[in-house]
Amino acid sequence: AQSVAQPEDQVNVAEGNPLTVKCTYSVSGNPYLFWYVQYPNRGLQFLLKYITGDNLVKGSYGFEAEFNKSQTSFHLKKPSALVSDSALYFCAVSYSGSARQLTFGSGTQLTVLP
Amino acid sequence: DAGVIQSPRHEVTEMGQEVTLRCKPISGHNSLFWYRQTMMRGLELLIYFNNNVPIDDSGMPEDRFSAKMPNASFSTLKIQPSEPRDSAVYFCASSSSVVGGFTDTQYFGPGTRLTVL
Repeated sequence: AQSVAQPEDQVNVAEGNPLTVKCTYSVSGNPYLFWYVQYPNRGLQFLLKYITGDNLVKGSYGFEAEFNKSQTSFHLKKPSALVSDSALYFCAVSYSGSARQLTFGSGTQLTVLP
Repeated sequence: DAGVIQSPRHEVTEMGQEVTLRCKPISGHNSLFWYRQTMMRGLELLIYFNNNVPIDDSGMPEDRFSAKMPNASFSTLKIQPSEPRDSAVYFCASSSSVVGGFTDTQYFGPGTRLTVL
């Protein structure tokens, strides 16, 4: 079984400040973790993924995420937020027994205030 | 590449009518996924295909829903008869699976917003 939790429905941050969007997961094997972003009336866009190797993963648009096995977390971060980063962010997990199925979190609405 | 293409983008129909949603995956991708997104339930996987074969349809809500993939470049999701509770955004996604495949990145289409009156 696999599950993913995004504990915050909404995150507000001022433009130029660092941002963090939280994600925790639960899987029966080695996790494969993904972040997607959804802009209004658009499909989900892939940001980054962790498969193995370096715990810090760099992705599109300056985003990065840190895999923490002991805390079963995969938080999304960006050093300096832009107003254009405002969107809905989804964390997703699969694992070696999931046969390609991704389980998505409930999403976190990020609002970057000018 | 044009990305995943879905049609129509918006569909408004009346209860009891048949609805057909269409998807063209990215060329060369061999896995295709249908998702449904609602405020109440979030993003749910309905069914997925690998090499045109349905692998897992356990997410299909009931017999009113059916999906086909007659070839590598086309899939349909049909609802017959439609009900107001089927109103949602339906996404198609595709990926290029390798052996093992658990690490594949899925690429999503723009979605079809379905409203059943």
